[in-house]
Amino acid sequence: LAKTTQPISMDSYEGQEVNITCSHNNIATNDYITWYQQFPSQGPRFIIQGYKTKVTNEVASLFIPADRKSSTLSLPRVSLSDTAVYYCLVGDGSSNTGKLIFGQGTTLQVKP
Amino acid sequence: SAVISQKPSRDICQRGTSLTIQCQVDSQVTMMFWYRQQPGQSLTLIATANQGSEATYESGFVIDKFPISRPNLTFSTLTVSNMSPEDSSIYLCSVVRLRDLGSEQYFGPGTRLTVT
Repeated sequence: LAKTTQPISMDSYEGQEVNITCSHNNIATNDYITWYQQFPSQGPRFIIQGYKTKVTNEVASLFIPADRKSSTLSLPRVSLSDTAVYYCLVGDGSSNTGKLIFGQGTTLQVKP
Repeated sequence: SAVISQKPSRDICQRGTSLTIQCQVDSQVTMMFWYRQQPGQSLTLIATANQGSEATYESGFVIDKFPISRPNLTFSTLTVSNMSPEDSSIYLCSVVRLRDLGSEQYFGPGTRLTVT
């Protein structure tokens, strides 16, 4: 499983767009890139998953360059409730193993 | 999606004792995992709970310390044996669901364990 590197913490203000970049230089051909969000005292929650180019859902966008060695999670117009830890994970995305190896994550603090 | 419940939600235990944590899923799932999250830290995978066979443990975790049962496709238990204060953590179970492309993992609410 490819190792990921992301900033330990980020600060933002309400209404701003937040971009969190993750490096995964050793990503394998069949690996997907997945982002999870964790609030205090809760289990992580799936945000978005992609393989290449751009993926968008109702919560976030995920940008993946052609070489797939990094990815950027974009949160539009954050609010105080977006304060959480965000984890970038890389894995084969199949049910064969399903294993997720969590890095340290990025603690996002949204200020009023 | 998958709805996962865990029991107990929290407990305070004395060192040397054991605690069994239950994980119940609202539908049958193939892949089920147990994680540990120590205070202020990220999640660490303990093991894969295999239905009908012994669990597969990650490096640093052993069956004698963390025995796991998986009697069917909706239920699993994790026991933390002979506890010490270092075992104070949040223990989470998770399951995998396939998506159109890739997969998604759902986590339970966690069991907060404090060992005194």
